Amino acid sequence: EVQLVESGGGLVQPGGSLRLSCAASGFTFRSYWMHWVRQVPGKGLVWVSRMNSDGSSILYADSVKGRFTISRDNAKNTLYLQMNSLRVEDTAVYYCARRSGSGGWFDSWGQGALVTVSS
Amino acid sequence: EIVLTQSPATLSLSPGERATLSCGASQSVSNRCLAWYQQKPGLAPRLLIYDASIRATGIPDRFSGSGSGTDFTLTISSLEPEDFAVYHCQQYSTSLWTFGQGTKVEIK
Repeated sequence: EVQLVESGGGLVQPGGSLRLSCAASGFTFRSYWMHWVRQVPGKGLVWVSRMNSDGSSILYADSVKGRFTISRDNAKNTLYLQMNSLRVEDTAVYYCARRSGSGGWFDSWGQGALVTVSS
Repeated sequence: EIVLTQSPATLSLSPGERATLSCGASQSVSNRCLAWYQQKPGLAPRLLIYDASIRATGIPDRFSGSGSGTDFTLTISSLEPEDFAVYHCQQYSTSLWTFGQGTKVEIK
């Protein structure tokens, strides 16, 4: 069974940093592109970042470019999101999601990690 | 960036009724690269439909997707109690993935 489990969320002050982790199991992690998607509670989903299977290609949404860094450790089956210079508007539930091996849709999602940026 | 607009924002229906949800794109979504997800409160989204009309594994056939270009539709032929949720559309035809703002299907 495919499982994605996020951790590392919490409360942080504006300007602070946080690192999210997404532990994958039940599939060959190194073969899949992985994404981060966030959602302000009660609002829509917003794509944040993606990394291809070997880590050689990365994209970010403009809203996080220069502040967030996506990375992965295929030996540990784990995806990361390093979030620096956090803003109040970064407050959201952050999901890691697996891109399907056949196309650009997301066929598996983690349960989400809540990040709250507040003073 | 392709902007997706979902309508209506909220759909109030009774179990057994037909639900029709729309997703409009600001520019053509090539190769019908559009997916639909269902999300229940406190849970992660679940893939329903990909490539505009293909049901994901395990999805009941009361869910169907259609459309191309800039207009897409998710239809639930007869609502079951477990179908009351929020539905999101997503395009993946460009390298900047975007989602609609969601349609909430609530019990009337």
